[in-house]
Amino acid sequence: DQQVKQNSPSLSVQEGRISILNCDYTNSMFDYFLWYKKYPAEGPTFLISISSIKDKNEDGRFTVFLNKSAKHLSLHIVPSQPGDSAVYFCAASNSGTYKYIFGTGTRLKVLA
Amino acid sequence: EADIYQTPRYLVIGTGKKITLECSQTMGHDKMYWYQQDPGMELHLIHYSYGVNSTEKGDLSSESTVSRIRTEHFPLTLESARPSHTSQYLCASKRGMGQPQHFGDGTRLSIL
Repeated sequence: DQQVKQNSPSLSVQEGRISILNCDYTNSMFDYFLWYKKYPAEGPTFLISISSIKDKNEDGRFTVFLNKSAKHLSLHIVPSQPGDSAVYFCAASNSGTYKYIFGTGTRLKVLA
Repeated sequence: EADIYQTPRYLVIGTGKKITLECSQTMGHDKMYWYQQDPGMELHLIHYSYGVNSTEKGDLSSESTVSRIRTEHFPLTLESARPSHTSQYLCASKRGMGQPQHFGDGTRLSIL
């Protein structure tokens, strides 16, 4: 049973527009959420995180939104750039453990 | 940028061989992790360690073993490699609660 789901395997967006990547989770005990970016032949790179006490966290062009009642989080990238083309993974954890559960990833392609 | 290193980056080897995948980090992190990832799939936790002489099996059953004799070093060993072990193996470390995991660039393993 997948506890963290990314239902869109791929997404294409025009350069300069907004990219919205979505993630759903089922375990209400999760209280810390992260987004990672992965380029081919490299390991995942941490992008941004959010604690369950917040509903929004912003870092430059990247904003993560958390809707606890819907068990849903999203990553917004504004404006999108060709260098943002990568696979994006969301991950979730319960702060009582040090383990993360990852989604299957969404491949973002930003078109120039 | 996080300092966590994995060697080798790529390995093609025959069935029955003993393999050790190396992972080292220079950040003094107590928590270290091994994940297995197949293309298009989520990262599956196979082993983790909360500190020296502490190792635990992850959520995905694996025939590999790990050791943690030094804080900075967390090698993974396959005693007798089989084609079913073909996958990408990612090592990660983190400092503490509410902190992101930092990943190495992975080892892509192919067993013939």
